[in-house]
Amino acid sequence: SQTIHQWPATLVQPVGSPLSLECTVEGTSNPNLYWYRQAAGRGLQLLFYSVGIGQISSEVPQNLSASRPQDRQFILSSKKLLLSDSGFYLCACSNTSGNTIYFGEGSWLTVV
Amino acid sequence: RKEVEQDPGPFNVPEGATVAFNCTYSNSASQSFFWYRQDCRKEPKLLMSVYSSGNEDGRFTAQLNRASQYISLLIRDSKLSDSATYLCAVKEWDKLIFGTGTRLQVFP
Repeated sequence: SQTIHQWPATLVQPVGSPLSLECTVEGTSNPNLYWYRQAAGRGLQLLFYSVGIGQISSEVPQNLSASRPQDRQFILSSKKLLLSDSGFYLCACSNTSGNTIYFGEGSWLTVV
Repeated sequence: RKEVEQDPGPFNVPEGATVAFNCTYSNSASQSFFWYRQDCRKEPKLLMSVYSSGNEDGRFTAQLNRASQYISLLIRDSKLSDSATYLCAVKEWDKLIFGTGTRLQVFP
């Protein structure tokens, strides 16, 4: 079964600073990869998903971006953070033949 | 209209009670359905998939009603450890869309 590593687990960043969250997956090849965000008291919002290297689909317009430089690596970035970017960021994966999605342990981001 | 809607709760029930949650979805072409459990400040974890004929896993029963576009989760004999937020999820092609979750609190 796949294992999802996500880091850092928590971070506090000032407004206007850059962001990089990293996610790697083990135990599967050619997975679909996802970034979700869960703001305080709100549901899971799909931000980006990728079905292959270099293929990124964006779900919502925002100041975030995602990249997939390797098959099992997914990176979430921002050049300048906003206060509204605070939240719980979750990387998730499913394999192309699987139906279900599994989550990493998440990264708590507080923008101050 | 939201793609996936749930009653946020909270549902406060005593130990041993039976509790049911519903979740409605708007896209009739949705392909697959799931229930996830999320504990406070943790990632969601898959509880069970929902099959067209309905399925059961111990004290948990999930059902799908395609005609009315809703799924349900029934928990029998509630335990204190069942206290969590329950998220329904609907798969549309490569994407999994989540509801906002229903919070369950089981008390002694």
